[in-house]
Amino acid sequence: KAGVTQTPRYLIKTRGQQVTLSCSPISGHRSVSWYQQTPGQGLQFLFEYFSETQRNKGNFPGRFSGRQFSNSRSEMNVSTLELGDSALYLCASSPDRAGYGQPQHFGDGTRLSIL
Amino acid sequence: DQQVKQNSPSLSVQEGRISILNCDYTNSMFDYFLWYKKYPAEGPTFLISISSIKDKNEDGRFTVFLNKSAKHLSLHIVPSQPGDSAVYFCAASASGNTPLVFGKGTRLSVIA
Repeated sequence: KAGVTQTPRYLIKTRGQQVTLSCSPISGHRSVSWYQQTPGQGLQFLFEYFSETQRNKGNFPGRFSGRQFSNSRSEMNVSTLELGDSALYLCASSPDRAGYGQPQHFGDGTRLSIL
Repeated sequence: DQQVKQNSPSLSVQEGRISILNCDYTNSMFDYFLWYKKYPAEGPTFLISISSIKDKNEDGRFTVFLNKSAKHLSLHIVPSQPGDSAVYFCAASASGNTPLVFGKGTRLSVIA
């Protein structure tokens, strides 16, 4: 069974640009959550999508947005990139809505570097 | 304000000995606790979990202990193996469809 797939693995952008990251969940998984990992802050929750609807949102500015398609694949978009957006962005999937201690399955992440 | 704290950024243990990784939390609403392991250039992998109705959960070499009154949990690895060298994240969530809150991780090095 294929795992969670994130593309691209690495991205280099400059300040002010925008970027779109992609995540394909494990087949049959309907929930996709996004996290940002930085050395100083650890893993921080961005948002969760389930049935093409955003269900939960973390404490991030509106520059961070996402969407989910009918096949459960998800994209995350960051506009007007800032140097502080440099991070590893992780996607995680689960069969149902995240919560109740249900383990999530993570992809290997997209490393975003802002110059 | 960090709700899940892993106060030891790193830990070194000899092969064959016990590794104990600690985690403290502040939110009394947390009911579920999970441990993840992360190798470089890979995503976190789920290891073991425990709910607040239990104080211990065991899976092979891995045991998680929960002390609700102290808001503290620990992961024990016995015996430790070189392949256990990784960053370990503690995560917690409240009941309901609430997201996981992660600690900053502890880097475990198991020395042969």
